[in-house]
Amino acid sequence: GPKVLQIPSHQIIDMGQMVTLNCDPVSNHLYFYWYKQILGQQMEFLVNFYNGKVMEKSKLFKDQFSVERPDGSYFTLKIQPTALEDSAVYFCASSFQGAQDTQYFGPGTRLLVL
Amino acid sequence: QQQVRQSPQSLTVWEGETAILNCSYEDSTFDYFPWYHQFPGESPALLIAIRPVSNKKEDGRFTIFFNKREKKFSLHIADSQPGDSATYFCAATYNRIFFGDGTQLVVKP
Repeated sequence: GPKVLQIPSHQIIDMGQMVTLNCDPVSNHLYFYWYKQILGQQMEFLVNFYNGKVMEKSKLFKDQFSVERPDGSYFTLKIQPTALEDSAVYFCASSFQGAQDTQYFGPGTRLLVL
Repeated sequence: QQQVRQSPQSLTVWEGETAILNCSYEDSTFDYFPWYHQFPGESPALLIAIRPVSNKKEDGRFTIFFNKREKKFSLHIADSQPGDSATYFCAATYNRIFFGDGTQLVVKP
């Protein structure tokens, strides 16, 4: 089936540093999402993105977070500066249509902030 | 306020039994209700979904029962297999998707 790729699979950084998580969505998909999952817990919505714009974001999407997809390349989540509580698995997802369409998830990036 | 509530938190059944996972939601504007499953170390994947025009959706051993009046829906896994052991998330969407907390299902052989 359709595949979403995420790079890197793991990232360890020091608190205060910047990190960029990269997502390569399904090629014809138009909607992009980021989710945060702390080990063994619920997956929590961060943000969705369509037509070059943030459509909706949750309260977890702090001011230190930003997303973009320059020139149709990777869909990125940037955290600057990072905090200890940002340690989690970040899943990217994409769908052709909006929230009512099947979302295809990437394998996740495991971020550890020390 | 949590938009989607899921129970039980964990469930253990024997192979061949029917596992029943429950969800309820708050907002009447939700109009799409998917179930995702997630195996350890993997990403969530869509299992089955229903829209509120229906009260039942079947796909093989997996059935969603939907009660719009009570704002509840459930996933029934018939003839459970050890390979069904995973975490199951229900969700509800309109513009964005809200996930339940997940049910960790263990199917014992």
